[in-house]
Amino acid sequence: EAGVVQSPRYKIIEKKQPVAFWCNPISGHNTLYWYLQNLGQGPELLIRYENEEAVDDSQLPKDRFSAERLKGVDSTLKIQPAELGDSAVYLCASSLGSPVDEQFFGPGTRLTVL
Amino acid sequence: DQQVKQNSPSLSVQEGRISILNCDYTNSMFDYFLWYKKYPAEGPTFLISISSIKDKNEDGRFTVFLNKSAKHLSLHIVPSQPGDSAVYFCAASSIQGAQKLVFGQGTRLTINP
Repeated sequence: EAGVVQSPRYKIIEKKQPVAFWCNPISGHNTLYWYLQNLGQGPELLIRYENEEAVDDSQLPKDRFSAERLKGVDSTLKIQPAELGDSAVYLCASSLGSPVDEQFFGPGTRLTVL
Repeated sequence: DQQVKQNSPSLSVQEGRISILNCDYTNSMFDYFLWYKKYPAEGPTFLISISSIKDKNEDGRFTVFLNKSAKHLSLHIVPSQPGDSAVYFCAASSIQGAQKLVFGQGTRLTINP
C-alpha cells in the first residue's frame, strides 16, 4: 500500500515569491493534516481537514498561507508571498479518523527561502 | 508556551544497553500520549502509545511509562540496536474532543556499536 505522497521534496525560492506544496494521503483516510517543522523542533499543526472541511485552522497564518482539499482527497498548501522565516519542512499526514488515530506522515517538503 | 517538553536534545547509548527517553507535559487535559520515530529525510512514524488509564504499555523492545502525578512519561528501549538511531518525538492529545497532537522538540538517539 502506498504511503502519503508529497511533492516537491525540496523547493528553493526567493522571498516574496509564491510556493505550493501537494499531498496525496493514504487511500481511505478521511483526515488530512499539514504540519510545519522548524529545525530542532517537533511538528506543529497548521491545518486539519476532515474530508473537504477544514476543522482546525487556528494555527494557519491566514494572511499568507492558504490550503484546500478539493473532493476530500488531495490537498495543496500555498504560501504567498513567502518570507525568510517560512524556511522549514512542511509535513503532510493522514489518518482514518480523529487525531488520536495513528497518523501516517509523508516525507515532507523542505522549503528554503532566500 | 511549550506544553510538551523533551529536555534532552540528544542521547548516546551503547548497543545492547537500555535507552531511556524522557518527556514532560504541562496540560492536565492531555490523556493520550504517543511516541514517534523519525529517520533523516523521512516523515515521523508511529511507535507506541499510552492512554492515561494505564501507567505502562509494552510492545516488544519498547515500553512507555506514564506518571500522571508528575506529568512525565518515558520510553524505554531494551536492548538498544543500531537501527534505533533516530529522532524520537513525544506527542500528547486529549481524546475527548479529538484534540490535535502536540509534539515535543525531539531527542536524537544514537546507538553506538
